[in-house]
Amino acid sequence: EAQVTQNPRYLITVTGKKLTVTCSQNMNHEYMSWYRQDPGLGLRQIYYSMNVEVTDKGDVPEGYKVSRKEKRNFPLILESPSPNQTSLYFCASRRGSGPETQYFGPGTRLLVL
Amino acid sequence: DQQVKQNSPSLSVQEGRISILNCDYTNSMFDYFLWYKKYPAEGPTFLISISSIKDKNEDGRFTVFLNKSAKHLSLHIVPSQPGDSAVYFCAGHTDKLIFGTGTRLQVFP
Repeated sequence: EAQVTQNPRYLITVTGKKLTVTCSQNMNHEYMSWYRQDPGLGLRQIYYSMNVEVTDKGDVPEGYKVSRKEKRNFPLILESPSPNQTSLYFCASRRGSGPETQYFGPGTRLLVL
Repeated sequence: DQQVKQNSPSLSVQEGRISILNCDYTNSMFDYFLWYKKYPAEGPTFLISISSIKDKNEDGRFTVFLNKSAKHLSLHIVPSQPGDSAVYFCAGHTDKLIFGTGTRLQVFP
């Protein structure tokens, strides 16, 4: 089954404690992205990757890092989380940068105290 | 700069009637527009798309209309069903997807 998986699904942490949200896809897609969803702001892109070792900033990259060492995995790293990073996070993948269907993971709800 | 706007945060429609969800955009470089549907506790899923050179695309109960001169698109769902209750996001595509803020549709019996 084609899917994007994220872990954990729910996370409560404290300010400054480094965390990583993992993302994996089994569709051999080249293009992967991270989004955050906030009330009244919709889905905003944090970072994206066009292929292994190729990453770039999206619209709201501050406070986040990513890496793409393997094609299937695209972890999101918060080195020093802050309360304004409390949000619902989605990983997504698609075959290329064209308008092909993008597949989303189930989401990770993060609360930073 | 909100390039894609969904001005109605919510919409309530009776089962069997038509649901019309609206989306406005400012970026003339969008080459495709897409609609995604999102249920609670799940990620968004692709629903329907339209090329910027078309003015209509239909897929079963779902039809998307594009008015380029007005920079406006709409999603029509006919007939609406309770299972259509979800949050709907429109998105414009350049080299990436730019999403709107979403509209929560509730279809009641």
